[in-house]
Amino acid sequence: EAQVTQNPRYLITVTGKKLTVTCSQNMNHEYMSWYRQDPGLGLRQIYYSMNVEVTDKGDVPEGYKVSRKEKRNFPLILESPSPNQTSLYFCASSLSWGQGTEAFFGQGTRLTVV
Amino acid sequence: AQSVTQLGSHVSVSEGALVLLRCNYSSSVPPYLFWYVQYPNQGLQLLLKYTSAATLVKGINGFEAEFKKSETSFHLTKPSAHMSDAAEYFCAVKWEGYQKVTFGTGTKLQVIP
Repeated sequence: EAQVTQNPRYLITVTGKKLTVTCSQNMNHEYMSWYRQDPGLGLRQIYYSMNVEVTDKGDVPEGYKVSRKEKRNFPLILESPSPNQTSLYFCASSLSWGQGTEAFFGQGTRLTVV
Repeated sequence: AQSVTQLGSHVSVSEGALVLLRCNYSSSVPPYLFWYVQYPNQGLQLLLKYTSAATLVKGINGFEAEFKKSETSFHLTKPSAHMSDAAEYFCAVKWEGYQKVTFGTGTKLQVIP
């Protein structure tokens, strides 16, 4: 089954404790991205990747890191989480970035930083 | 800067009534336009998309949207609301030549029995 898998689904952590949210897709998609969803703000892009070893900042990259060492995986790293990073996070992938191809989303990761 | 505007963060309709969710975008280049739906505790899934073919686009679950270039709009409609349509709906735009997709702030649809 074609899917984007994120883990974990729920995470509560403390300020400053490094964490990684994993994302994996099995569709051989080139383009992957991370979004955060906050009430009243919709989805805002954090980082995106057009292919292996090619990443770039989205609209709200501060406090986040990403890497794309393999085509299927695109982990999101919070090196020193803060309470303002409490949010619902989504990973998405699409076949390419250059055309109007739709995004496939993971189920989301609800992160709480206390 | 490119932007996407969804009018109305909450919309309520009666079961069987017309659903109209509005989306406008700023544009200086041709857009690709999408509507996504998010059910509670789930990720987003594609409802429909416009990619420069027919201006009236039909999607899943009886939804459709019309691209109106002169109005820079891509409103989502459904003739008759069903209880199962209650969800949050997001309009998204990708501009030709740009690498990012911009989402609107979402509209929560409530269907009243």
